[in-house]
Amino acid sequence: GAVVSQHPSRVICKSGTSVKIECRSLDFQATTMFWYRQFPKKSLMLMATSNEGSKATYEQGVEKDKFLINHASLTLSTLTVTSAHPEDSSFYICSARSGDDYNEQFFGPGTRLTVL
Amino acid sequence: GQNIDQPTEMTATEGAIVQINCTYQTSGFNGLFWYQQHAGEAPTFLSYNVLDGLEEKGRFSSFLSRSKGYSYLLLKELQMKDSASYLCAVIDSNYQLIWGAGTKLIIKP
Repeated sequence: GAVVSQHPSRVICKSGTSVKIECRSLDFQATTMFWYRQFPKKSLMLMATSNEGSKATYEQGVEKDKFLINHASLTLSTLTVTSAHPEDSSFYICSARSGDDYNEQFFGPGTRLTVL
Repeated sequence: GQNIDQPTEMTATEGAIVQINCTYQTSGFNGLFWYQQHAGEAPTFLSYNVLDGLEEKGRFSSFLSRSKGYSYLLLKELQMKDSASYLCAVIDSNYQLIWGAGTKLIIKP
């Protein structure tokens, strides 16, 4: 299957700082990318859907000014957690999809964010 | 509202067979996924069902009944490495993925 990478895999930061997480599709063009967060022992929670070259669509309850998403190219989307606080500590996972085939959604390995 | 139910936790023995059930109530249906997720890792794709019936893929099989809003994942010849969470997810009429909470499968020797 296709490969999606995320960087960094782990990040520890101080409260009040901003953290950028990159999601890259390595061998295909991702027209749509999804950002999820997952709390321990909980299911995936969709935060936002981003299409290349357009603004991200945020799910209800997700602050767009706090979680900035940029999908500047067909292979790269970034999620920036601005002014991070301890409650933002979570596992953030991106997935990428090519075209409209819903059988072809590939997940990145995830980024573990810890805010002190 | 939209809802996907699956058991929280199951235990099985190495070499045995286990069936993980998933029931769903969603606004429309455009397919059902099963994913495997090991602790601290992202989900990996196992299966996709959009028509009724059984899809077999090696030791794993997935079944769907759209009229009953029901699916199951069948794992045969269990191995210790199958210890993981198994997530059921449905694509609704808006082509949104609705996720179940996952079933933690514990394999004992």
